[in-house]
Amino acid sequence: KAGVTQTPRYLIKTRGQQVTLSCSPISGHRSVSWYQQTPGQGLQFLFEYFSETQRNKGNFPGRFSGRQFSNSRSEMNVSTLELGDSALYLCASSLRGGAQTQETQYFGPGTRLLVL
Amino acid sequence: DAKTTQPNSMESNEEEPVHLPCNHSTISGTDYIHWYRQLPSQGPEYVIHGLTSNVNNRMASLAIAEDRKSSTLILHRATLRDAAVYYCILNHRSNYQLIWGAGTKLIIKP
Repeated sequence: KAGVTQTPRYLIKTRGQQVTLSCSPISGHRSVSWYQQTPGQGLQFLFEYFSETQRNKGNFPGRFSGRQFSNSRSEMNVSTLELGDSALYLCASSLRGGAQTQETQYFGPGTRLLVL
Repeated sequence: DAKTTQPNSMESNEEEPVHLPCNHSTISGTDYIHWYRQLPSQGPEYVIHGLTSNVNNRMASLAIAEDRKSSTLILHRATLRDAAVYYCILNHRSNYQLIWGAGTKLIIKP
């Protein structure tokens, strides 16, 4: 089985722009979670999607949004980028729901975003 | 919010056991303890999880204190491929979010 894939792997944007990141979960997985990883804050939960619905959301501003498609693929969008949004954005998939069950979450390699 | 505390880094020799501690003194009764590790330039990968009893799998063992305020991840025979950042995580059932600690960077010396 192919693992979780994320595109693009690297991205450079300037302040004020917006960005869309994509995540394809493992085949058959219906839950997709997004995380932001920075050296200062570590790994922080952004949101989780299941069956095209946002089921959980972390403490991030409304500039961070996401969606999930009927094939379970997910996108996250960050609008009006700030320098502090520079981070590694990780996507994880699981069968039904990572945080609500004790299921293993399978992570992709991440998208490294640099905001100048 | 319940959180975890881990040492910033630890060193161990190859082929020796490694004990990675984690403190979670504010853990709730139904919070599970998960461990993931992140190898360089990769996303995190699952290692093990448990609630109250000690757990074993092919990768590691998890020893949970009787009061559940701390736990220890045990790698029985570390190899160079085990060099990674190890995260102790609580499955925070009240809002179903995984609360990640800062992680322990494990250095394996040949």
